[in-house]
Amino acid sequence: EAGVVQSPRYKIIEKKQPVAFWCNPISGHNTLYWYLQNLGQGPELLIRYENEEAVDDSQLPKDRFSAERLKGVDSTLKIQPAELGDSAVYLCASSAGTSAEAFFGQGTRLTVV
Amino acid sequence: GEDVEQSLFLSVREGDSSVINCTYTDSSSTYLYWYKQEPGAGLQLLTYIFSNMDMKQDQRLTVLLNKKDKHLSLRIADTQTGDSAIYFCAEIPPISNFGNEKLTFGTGTRLTIIP
Repeated sequence: EAGVVQSPRYKIIEKKQPVAFWCNPISGHNTLYWYLQNLGQGPELLIRYENEEAVDDSQLPKDRFSAERLKGVDSTLKIQPAELGDSAVYLCASSAGTSAEAFFGQGTRLTVV
Repeated sequence: GEDVEQSLFLSVREGDSSVINCTYTDSSSTYLYWYKQEPGAGLQLLTYIFSNMDMKQDQRLTVLLNKKDKHLSLRIADTQTGDSAIYFCAEIPPISNFGNEKLTFGTGTRLTIIP
């Protein structure tokens, strides 16, 4: 069974450029999460989807970050424009139950230069 | 705000026991969790404990919970090189309304195995 698939694995961009991350959750998982993991820190929730609805986006910096989950399956997370402080690992996870039962992808490591 | 706290580093000799400690924030959290993150990989749920338990054992893993002190520990017996990873404790504070559960992670402890 395929796990949570994220792409790209690595991305290097210049500041002020846009960037997008893609996530394909485990088939049948209605809940999808995007987490931000700064170096030396634990993951922090950015946004949670139940099917195609964003039910918790309170931690998403909406001035530059956006996300969508069309048709309640794949999801994209976008940053425009990127700042140096956005350098981090962006993790996607999906769950058929609670957030603790979520399966995590390998993440996308973003470096903004 | 309050943080889920862990020490950042732990080094253990192969074959010894590792004990990773965590102080969590909400004494009414129902579930407490331990995750493992290997290099370049996502997080993997290792084990969890209900708040009405003091201890849970699962093969080489033992979880101890002290609710009074809001202290959680993970003991790995007979530590192997494959146990090298970052270990995160996490809690879900009580659900205040439907669908409001949010997993809060600690800062992570990097476990290094010394041959």
